[in-house]
Amino acid sequence: QKEVEQNSGPLSVPEGAIASLNCTYSDRGSQSFFWYRQYSGKSPELIMSIYSNGDKEDGRFTAQLNKASQYVSLLIRDSQPSDSATYLCARYSSASKIIFGSGTRLSIRP
Amino acid sequence: SQTIHQWPATLVQPVGSPLSLECTVEGTSNPNLYWYRQAAGRGLQLLFYSVGIGQISSEVPQNLSASRPQDRQFILSSKKLLLSDSGFYLCAWSRPLAEQYFGPGTRLTVT
Repeated sequence: QKEVEQNSGPLSVPEGAIASLNCTYSDRGSQSFFWYRQYSGKSPELIMSIYSNGDKEDGRFTAQLNKASQYVSLLIRDSQPSDSATYLCARYSSASKIIFGSGTRLSIRP
Repeated sequence: SQTIHQWPATLVQPVGSPLSLECTVEGTSNPNLYWYRQAAGRGLQLLFYSVGIGQISSEVPQNLSASRPQDRQFILSSKKLLLSDSGFYLCAWSRPLAEQYFGPGTRLTVT
């Protein structure tokens, strides 16, 4: 069982719609979660960090955490073609490491 | 603000040649440092991490090694490259118990 699981996609969403990206994890003790965006050929960049149950909003992005159900999601409102990228879900592990999912490819169609 | 540098940006090396990739961080002290490799179309593979000078933890046994000669410098090396070493090499830093920030990466092609 993968520690952080994501649907590889591609997820195709029309421009202006809400893109919903989901992630599940296996370690119930996980406390810190992260979403990264990676454009093709570029390095990952941090979008959101979330530590508490509930929603955290930053501009068009909302991260949602449900520790009881062991899932994290990222909503992107008013999707733009520039949002087309691979989105990596990650959680903080012990021993100073972060465990990454394999990523979901998101494609925003005009 | 903090900045992370990696060089070179791209590298083409023949099989059997040595490798040295360098990563430096500015604007912070005693960061945790990480080396990842990403094969084409694949996820991130953690290779090494370091929580202090001279402290290196290896995640995957292979023909690569890492060193941290200074607080904000992390070096990835190999004595003899294999074809399978090709990939996108990423350095990252973090504060303890916090998110990681990635450098721009080095694209290595072994021919």
